[in-house]
Amino acid sequence: QKEVEQDPGPLSVPEGAIVSLNCTYSNSAFQYFMWYRQYSRKGPELLMYTYSSGNKEDGRFTAQVDKSSKYISLFIRDSQPSDSATYLCATLIQGAQKLVFGQGTRLTINP
Amino acid sequence: GAVVSQHPSWVICKSGTSVKIECRSLDFQATTMFWYRQFPKQSLMLMATSNEGSKATYEQGVEKDKFLINHASLTLSTLTVTSAHPEDSSFYICSARGPQLGSEAFFGQGTRLTVV
Repeated sequence: QKEVEQDPGPLSVPEGAIVSLNCTYSNSAFQYFMWYRQYSRKGPELLMYTYSSGNKEDGRFTAQVDKSSKYISLFIRDSQPSDSATYLCATLIQGAQKLVFGQGTRLTINP
Repeated sequence: GAVVSQHPSWVICKSGTSVKIECRSLDFQATTMFWYRQFPKQSLMLMATSNEGSKATYEQGVEKDKFLINHASLTLSTLTVTSAHPEDSSFYICSARGPQLGSEAFFGQGTRLTVV
């Protein structure tokens, strides 16, 4: 079993829809949670960063962490074609060096 | 967010030659840098972790004599692909973390290597 599981998709939704991207993890020691967006042929870009459980909102993006169920989510409201990309979740144990990534979900927003 | 600059963005080289890829942190001290390889439509595969001034720690299955990593300063790490072969063609991405950033990691733009 991988430490972080993420549905690779692809996921295709119409413009304006609410998108929900999810990851599950197995190690309860993970305390830091990140979402990255990666456009084709580019490096990943940090979108959201949260510590422990709770919600964090930034514009159209909301990151949610539920440590009791080991479940992390990214919600995109009013999705735009420019949101089409691969989204990677990542986790980290406090004091550790290496982030652990999910497989990434390929998202397409159709105009 | 913090800026990590990776150069070149793409490179074509002949089989048997060596290629160097640079990764620079522009506005923070990168005490730890990571090098990843990514195949089309696949996730990131960690190759090695390097701490400034120390030898890199390579992941299982990564040939350290083929992928030479140097992290001589707090703002620069290099990956040299030695005696490149067509199977080394891939997308290579660096990432950096530093004490000023907490737990976040920032990525370079990536380098597309094609070996002909």
